Amino acid sequence: AAGVIQSPRHLIKEKRETATLKCYPIPRHDTVYWYQQGPGQDPQFLISFYEKMQSDKGSIPDRFSAQQFSDYHSELNMSSLELGDSALYFCASSYNSYEQYFGPGTRLTVT
Amino acid sequence: SQQGEEDPQALSIQEGENATMNCSYKTSINNLQWYRQNSGRGLVHLILIRSNEREKHSGRLRVTLDTSKKSSSLLITASRAADTASYFCATGAGGTSYGKLTFGQGTILTVHP
Repeated sequence: AAGVIQSPRHLIKEKRETATLKCYPIPRHDTVYWYQQGPGQDPQFLISFYEKMQSDKGSIPDRFSAQQFSDYHSELNMSSLELGDSALYFCASSYNSYEQYFGPGTRLTVT
Repeated sequence: SQQGEEDPQALSIQEGENATMNCSYKTSINNLQWYRQNSGRGLVHLILIRSNEREKHSGRLRVTLDTSKKSSSLLITASRAADTASYFCATGAGGTSYGKLTFGQGTILTVHP
């Protein structure tokens, strides 16, 4: 079965640079969620989209923005990167269900 | 974590033994879910229990939910070395968009062959 696809899987950036993470949900899934997981931490909700509209917002810095496109894929844009942004970034998708299906994550390292 | 605390933080057992992990949360919930994460990898959904349910089974997994105590437990029976992973509980508040998940801090389970 198709799963959530995230790209890139690994990303290394320097401080103050910009990064774009992409998420391709499971086909027919209409809701996308973004989570950030720091080293040894639990995942923290950032933002979600339902039918291309922002549906919920968590502890997402103002330096970050995201959107969901007409084909339901989503992108998380991160600017002015800081060392503390180094983390695993997960995308999850769902369709008409509370269960969320997670992608493999993008490991972002800011140096 | 802002929502859940998991207990214990780490658990080490022998293959064949049962593993019990507990989770507590603070706010009202619509559902509670358990996820497994192998080291640095994605989260895999294990089981969901709704707020009006008290117990649920799936294979070797048994989940209980006590909304009066705002707590849940995950029991893995007859554990295997392949069960070694981190286990997170996550609560959903529900709502029109099904809503975000709020994760607990996780329990690191090690199953020794």
